[in-house]
Amino acid sequence: RKEVEQDPGPFNVPEGATVAFNCTYSNSASQSFFWYRQDCRKEPKLLMSVYSSGNEDGRFTAQLNRASQYISLLIRDSKLSDSATYLCVVRGYSSASKIIFGSGTRLSIRP
Amino acid sequence: NAGVTQTPKFRVLKTGQSMTLLCAQDMNHEYMYWYRQDPGMGLRLIHYSVGEGTTAKGEVPDGYNVSRLKKQNFLLGLESAAPSQTSVYFCASSYTGLDEQYFGPGTRLTVT
Repeated sequence: RKEVEQDPGPFNVPEGATVAFNCTYSNSASQSFFWYRQDCRKEPKLLMSVYSSGNEDGRFTAQLNRASQYISLLIRDSKLSDSATYLCVVRGYSSASKIIFGSGTRLSIRP
Repeated sequence: NAGVTQTPKFRVLKTGQSMTLLCAQDMNHEYMYWYRQDPGMGLRLIHYSVGEGTTAKGEVPDGYNVSRLKKQNFLLGLESAAPSQTSVYFCASSYTGLDEQYFGPGTRLTVT
């Protein structure tokens, strides 16, 4: 089993729709969690950190479920510009070697 | 403020050739990382550094060496390139081991 798993998609949704995807992780000792966005042939960029209490940034909401060991990303009122691959990142304790990237979920927003 | 830069952007090598990829950051970050990204596999950590003069192995270090002689630079070397090292290489930096990572634009390497 992979340490961090994501549904590769693609998720193909109409503009204005709400879309959500999850990322599961296997190490219960994981400490911090992030969602990154990666556009085609570009570098990953931080979308948002994921806090235990859940957090929201505009149209984006991230949740952490420690009991079931997954994080989620919800995008409301999706825009064409949201089309990208979304990577979840799980980090262990302070060691940089415990950074695990998911392989990404591809999202395509259609007009 | 350029952030994280990488050179070169593209390179084609023949099997057995060597090369060095350069990463530079101007954010005074302590931590620097080298990843490779292959289709369907996500980013995998090759080597990382927690400060000037230090390096450590990541998940897939074999076939690569690194050096961090200056805080702002992190070099990745391939001593004898193999086709399995065809990939996109990303450098990243962060202030601490738990902070957001900032990525460079990547280097596309093909080994024939």
